[in-house]
Amino acid sequence: DQQVKQNSPSLSVQEGRISILNCDYTNSMFDYFLWYKKYPAEGPTFLISISSIKDKNEDGRFTVFLNKSAKHLSLHIVPSQPGDSAVYFCAATDAQGGSEKLVFGKGTKLTVNP
Amino acid sequence: KAGVTQTPRYLIKTRGQQVTLSCSPISGHRSVSWYQQTPGQGLQFLFEYFSETQRNKGNFPGRFSGRQFSNSRSEMNVSTLELGDSALYLCASSFGSGHYGYTFGSGTRLTVV
Repeated sequence: DQQVKQNSPSLSVQEGRISILNCDYTNSMFDYFLWYKKYPAEGPTFLISISSIKDKNEDGRFTVFLNKSAKHLSLHIVPSQPGDSAVYFCAATDAQGGSEKLVFGKGTKLTVNP
Repeated sequence: KAGVTQTPRYLIKTRGQQVTLSCSPISGHRSVSWYQQTPGQGLQFLFEYFSETQRNKGNFPGRFSGRQFSNSRSEMNVSTLELGDSALYLCASSFGSGHYGYTFGSGTRLTVV
């Protein structure tokens, strides 16, 4: 069963507009939520994280919102730039099993058009 | 400082063979994790090592194994390769808790023919 879901495989936005990437999860024991960005032939790059006890975290153009009751989080990118075009992965930290591991969604491909 | 280094970048192996992949973490990072990325399953956790001990293991068959050395470098081994093992294998290191952000290497692209 997929505990972290990104239901939109792709998203296309215009440069300068807002990009909103969504993520749903099922496991209420997740401790932290993270967003990673991945370019082809490179490893994922950490963008921003949020604790499960917070509802918002902001870092420059990136803001992550967490709605625990809905088990939903979103990443807002404002303003979007062509260089933001990449695959974005939502992940959650799972500390069960003896140590922490990341549980990933399957990713959303963001295309920012000039 | 140097990032996470994975070698080799690309590998082609034949079914039934075995393969060893290497990962050098960021200096000072003691935790090393391995992930498999495939188009169908996405990124899946393989195992995590800390101070030469495996602390956690994902749902993969026993053909997948790993180890960590005293200098924190890690290797993973896949024996009796199957076509379905073709994937991008990613290594990540962290200093402490991963919510500060694991740092990933560029991965090893394994193709099994």
